[in-house]
Amino acid sequence: KAGVTQTPRYLIKTRGQQVTLSCSPISGHRSVSWYQQTPGQGLQFLFEYFSETQRNKGNFPGRFSGRQFSNSRSEMNVSTLELGDSALYLCASKLVWTARMETFGSGTRLTVV
Amino acid sequence: GESVGLHLPTLSVQEGDNSIINCAYSNSASDYFIWYKQESGKGPQFIIDIRSNMDKRQGQRVTVLLNKTVKHLSLQIAATQPGDSAVYFCAETTAYSGGGADGLTFGKGTHLIIQP
Repeated sequence: KAGVTQTPRYLIKTRGQQVTLSCSPISGHRSVSWYQQTPGQGLQFLFEYFSETQRNKGNFPGRFSGRQFSNSRSEMNVSTLELGDSALYLCASKLVWTARMETFGSGTRLTVV
Repeated sequence: GESVGLHLPTLSVQEGDNSIINCAYSNSASDYFIWYKQESGKGPQFIIDIRSNMDKRQGQRVTVLLNKTVKHLSLQIAATQPGDSAVYFCAETTAYSGGGADGLTFGKGTHLIIQP
């Protein structure tokens, strides 16, 4: 059974640009969450999607957004990139919204220059 | 906001010894806790979980202890092996009415180093 797949693995962007990251959950999993990991702030919850609807949101500015498609795949977008957005972005999936244990992908390493 | 923290950023142990990694949490409403292991270049990998109605749970070579009185969580790894080298995170979440749960709140992690 394939795990959570994130693309691309690495990305370099310039300040002010926007970026879109992609996540394919484990087959059958319908909930997808996104997390940001930085050395300073650690792992922080961004948002969760289930049935194409955002169910939960962390404390991040509106430049961070996401969406989920009917096949449960998800994308997150960051607009007007800042140097501080450099981080490992992790996607996690679980069966349904009410499930508790999440399985993580390997992440997308975003570097903003 | 409230967060889950770990007591030590680095823990060095001899191969074959037992390791104990600690975590303090502050949200008394948290009802589910998970330990994750993260190796370099990878995402967090599930190790073991425990619900707030339990105080101990055992897996293969790992045991999680939960003390709700002092809001403390620990992960015990028996007979530590080189492959156990990684950063270990505790995470907590809270259920809310309607069936869903908060996103996971993570501690800052403990880097477990295995000495040969």
